[in-house]
Amino acid sequence: AQTVTQSQPEMSVQEAETVTLSCTYDTSESDYYLFWYKQPPSRQMILVIRQEAYKQQNATENRFSVNFQKAAKSFSLKISDSQLGDAAMYFCAYEDTGRRALTFGSGTRLQVQP
Amino acid sequence: DGGITQSPKYLFRKEGQNVTLSCEQNLNHDAMYWYRQDPGQGLRLIYYSQIVNDFQKGDIAEGYSVSREKKESFPLTVTSAQKNPTAFYLCASSTMWTASSYEQYFGPGTRLTVT
Repeated sequence: AQTVTQSQPEMSVQEAETVTLSCTYDTSESDYYLFWYKQPPSRQMILVIRQEAYKQQNATENRFSVNFQKAAKSFSLKISDSQLGDAAMYFCAYEDTGRRALTFGSGTRLQVQP
Repeated sequence: DGGITQSPKYLFRKEGQNVTLSCEQNLNHDAMYWYRQDPGQGLRLIYYSQIVNDFQKGDIAEGYSVSREKKESFPLTVTSAQKNPTAFYLCASSTMWTASSYEQYFGPGTRLTVT
């Protein structure tokens, strides 16, 4: 079974600074998807960024980018120019191509200090 | 507007009672999923369905049941056999066949409290 590990329960960043959230996963598959989801206090899950494992290029969405290291099974999220609205729980998730269901990490709570 | 609706937002039940959580989507998605979230933890997969009239157990299916009689609906029943049913329940859906734009869309969730 796949596992996803987020080793940082909480992180804090100053507004306008950059922060990196870590994620590692374990799988024997070669083809899969990885995701970062944001969960604000409303508890609505919001997709932040997606990475296909077969793509070597790291995904980027505006201020959000990933560092995908397939051999190391590492998938970190970098948030640049942090904003107060970025404060939330962030979950790393792995999707297996069989079930096409998500396996989540335990989350990282991000605080943004003004 | 297309999306996923879950009702109700908050649900209270007495121990020993079955309770059904509703999930409806109008995104024309083939696949639907139920996840459970406990405090300080990520989401865990309860059941999923990739096609009407078929569903599969996820990682924590014990004490739960589902049905998929219509493409747009995937209700979850929390039975009295579920030992610790108090949790936040999230429903999601996705298309199965468009890999390039694949993502799971989530509903707003139902907070179930059993006393």
